[in-house]
Amino acid sequence: QTVVTQEASFSVSPGGTVTLTCGLSSGSVSANYYPSWYQQTPGQAPRTLIYSTDTRSSGVPDRFSGSILGNKAALTITGAQADDDSDYYCVLYLGSGIWVFGGGTKVTVL
Amino acid sequence: QVQLVESGGGVVQPGGSLRLSCSASGFTFSNYGMHWVRQAPGKGLEWVAFIPYGGSNNHYADSVKGRFTISRDNSKNTLYLQMNSLRAEDTAVYYCAKDSATVAHWFDPWGQGTLVTVSS
Repeated sequence: QTVVTQEASFSVSPGGTVTLTCGLSSGSVSANYYPSWYQQTPGQAPRTLIYSTDTRSSGVPDRFSGSILGNKAALTITGAQADDDSDYYCVLYLGSGIWVFGGGTKVTVL
Repeated sequence: QVQLVESGGGVVQPGGSLRLSCSASGFTFSNYGMHWVRQAPGKGLEWVAFIPYGGSNNHYADSVKGRFTISRDNSKNTLYLQMNSLRAEDTAVYYCAKDSATVAHWFDPWGQGTLVTVSS
């Protein structure tokens, strides 16, 4: 069974930079998995941030960026703001109509 | 604008059944695949099921295969999730989400979710 891995939590200072990663329990993440990233605050539905590795969804500030770093997908927040305090989820498309979410990363801005 | 509204959640006993609905507006529903994604209380997101725009060749997570059925009525712009043989571990907020309809397949937008509680 394929497991998608994410860091449990990160803390970042206002104005700082943080990079979250999204890996596979076995193997490397490439653009062929079409990684996408979602932001969720408590009690709210997820919001699309990044799709197809590095494309920002409409209305998403350019302080959010996506990439492949080594063998993982990555989401970088540059110049973190207070309202970036959220949970972040990646999802990989494994093909054949199967998607797997990572366990999510809780980002605290303080 | 694109809007997705889920309904049908509630409390059901273990072994029971429930049907969720997702009403879509603001886009040509029949042109897009659709997903169900769930989130257990205090836990992360879990992809549940996908139905292509044509309504056939559906796909399911192993955790629900054989118990849940995704379907759609394009004439009513509505997506469904029939859930049978429910278990305590199916307790979650269930979200519907529109597929991007490209090879990259991302989820956007999402509905606000409907809570399903499986408990005796």
